[in-house]
Amino acid sequence: QQQVKQSPQSLIVQKGGISIINCAYENTAFDYFPWYQQFPGKGPALLIAIRPDVSEKKEGRFTISFNKSAKQFSLHIMDSQPGDSATYFCAASLSDNFNKFYFGSGTKLNVKP
Amino acid sequence: DAGVTQSPTHLIKTRGQQVTLRCSPKSGHDTVSWYQQALGQGPQFIFQYYEEEERQRGNFPDRFSGHQFPNYSSELNVNALLLGDSALYLCASSFSRAGNQPQHFGDGTRLSIL
Repeated sequence: QQQVKQSPQSLIVQKGGISIINCAYENTAFDYFPWYQQFPGKGPALLIAIRPDVSEKKEGRFTISFNKSAKQFSLHIMDSQPGDSATYFCAASLSDNFNKFYFGSGTKLNVKP
Repeated sequence: DAGVTQSPTHLIKTRGQQVTLRCSPKSGHDTVSWYQQALGQGPQFIFQYYEEEERQRGNFPDRFSGHQFPNYSSELNVNALLLGDSALYLCASSFSRAGNQPQHFGDGTRLSIL
């Protein structure tokens, strides 16, 4: 059973546009939801993270929206830039499960100049 | 402050062989987790080491084993390699006493099985 489902698989956005990536999770006990950015040949790097006690978190051009009742969360990239072109992964974990992360399948973002 | 370092960066093996991958955690971190990332997929949890013991394991066969040393560094061993073991193997570290904290990833070891 896939614990975290991510969509879309790929996304093309014009420079300056908004990129939106969605994730849905199964386990209501998850209490930590990070987003990771991965460039080719590199490991995933933490972008932004949220806990279920807040509905939104913003860091610069990156915003996480969290809907606890729907068991969904999304990443919004405002004013998307060509340098944002990468693969993005959502993840979820349970604090009393030793920080074991469940990852989504990834979204490949291409920002066109 | 060095981040998570992994070695080697690339490795080519043949079916049936054995391989050992190495990881040094970020300074101050005491917990190491290993993930397998197949091409075009998200990382899949293999296992986690803390205080030199395996304390959590994902859905991987016993051919996958590991070790953690007193300096918190870790090894991942895979025996009887199969073609399907070809993947990027990622090491992530975190600090156990900081609650639910983000894991910091290395750049991985690309393992190719011929």
